[in-house]
Amino acid sequence: DIVMTQSPDSLAVSLGERATISCKSSQNILSSSNNKNYLAWFQHKPGQSPNLLIYWASTRESGVPDRFSGSGSGTDFSLTITSLQAEDVAVYFCQQYYGGPITFGQGTRLEIK
Amino acid sequence: QVQLVQSGAEVKKPGASVKISCKASGYTFASYGIHWVRQAPGQRLEWMGWINAGIGNTKYSQNFQGRVTFTRDTSAITVYMELSSLRSEDTAVYYCARGQDSDSWIFDYWGPGTLVTVSS
Repeated sequence: DIVMTQSPDSLAVSLGERATISCKSSQNILSSSNNKNYLAWFQHKPGQSPNLLIYWASTRESGVPDRFSGSGSGTDFSLTITSLQAEDVAVYFCQQYYGGPITFGQGTRLEIK
Repeated sequence: QVQLVQSGAEVKKPGASVKISCKASGYTFASYGIHWVRQAPGQRLEWMGWINAGIGNTKYSQNFQGRVTFTRDTSAITVYMELSSLRSEDTAVYYCARGQDSDSWIFDYWGPGTLVTVSS
């Protein structure tokens, strides 16, 4: 199975500042046939369902604020939130859908400093 | 708007089975797939498998092969997940999530989750 490892496990950022979360896959998740990275990012707030933010590593889901962006390729990826807002407090996790069973990162808890 | 409504919390004894429902609304049910994902306490999310809500074909994670069954009722616009031979490690919140299309593995909408507690 492809193992997804996020860092850090938790992160505290001041309002208006930038937050960056890393996700590394144990195998390449870039397809040579379509040049797409099979990686998604989700936001999960307490008591709510997870919310899709980014797919194909960098495509923002409809309705997601443009302060959320995804980047990376191959095995190394990141989610960046520019100008952190209070409503961004949540657990963020990455997911690979390249192959084998779908697998998820362990999650990164984002708080306000 | 797209909604996935799941059945309520369950408490089961070891060795029993549990069947959870996921009722869809706000979109054409048969044009999308539904995935099942669970999260045990303190653990990361774990994918269980997928069902094509239109034609009913399924794909199960090897971790659950032989213990899990997905079915769907198109007239009731509902997908079901049944897990048998329950053990304490199956205590978790179980989510259904819609794929972006019939065989997409990108989850664009999630249900609220159903807590299953396995305890003697």
